[in-house]
Amino acid sequence: DIQMTQSPSTLSASVGDRVSITCRASQSIGDWMAWYQHKPGKAPKLLIYRASTLQSGVPSRFSGVGSGTDFTLTISSLQPDDFATYYCQRYTSFSRTFGQGTKVEI
Amino acid sequence: QVQLQQSGPGLVKPSETLSLSCTVSGDSIGASYWSWVRQPPGKGLEWIGYLFYSTATTYSPSFRGRATISADTSKNRFFLNLTSVTAADTAIYYCARDRDTGLDPWGQGTLVTVSS
Repeated sequence: DIQMTQSPSTLSASVGDRVSITCRASQSIGDWMAWYQHKPGKAPKLLIYRASTLQSGVPSRFSGVGSGTDFTLTISSLQPDDFATYYCQRYTSFSRTFGQGTKVEI
Repeated sequence: QVQLQQSGPGLVKPSETLSLSCTVSGDSIGASYWSWVRQPPGKGLEWIGYLFYSTATTYSPSFRGRATISADTSKNRFFLNLTSVTAADTAIYYCARDRDTGLDPWGQGTLVTVSS
């Protein structure tokens, strides 16, 4: 099974910072990568799919790049509402795997 | 607008079967893939498996043999059964529509506690 390694596990940042989270797949997954934001007590929220396509309604400060095995989610200017846990997810044929998660905290 | 509404018991006894349902509005069960995901306390998201075209299923190796996903197309609803549960199965369980544009939308989540 394809494994996803997400880093860092925790990220301390301030409002206005540019932050990046990386995810590495154990083998090539093309661009079949999604990113989610998850806050306690809420369902995860889809931010980006196909590695770089912004989901409708998601602010443009979120962006995704990558293909093959290496992927990055970037928040260009961190806002108070962005403090949450972020997950990558590969969704190749007949299987899905989440990364371990990155908690973005003050 | 597609919406997913989850239902099911919040408490299950060890060794018994966890059963959850997810009712879909705004889309047809037969037209998409539908996943179950869980989050144990203090841990990350785990994909359990998905249903596609109302009857076919694929499961994570971690849940193969214990999880069953099925559907009732007449009620536009799909289900998760997880057998022989232990305390390690205590988690928030989510259903979600699963497409080549990612998992969206999601159900509201159901906290299931395994305890006698």
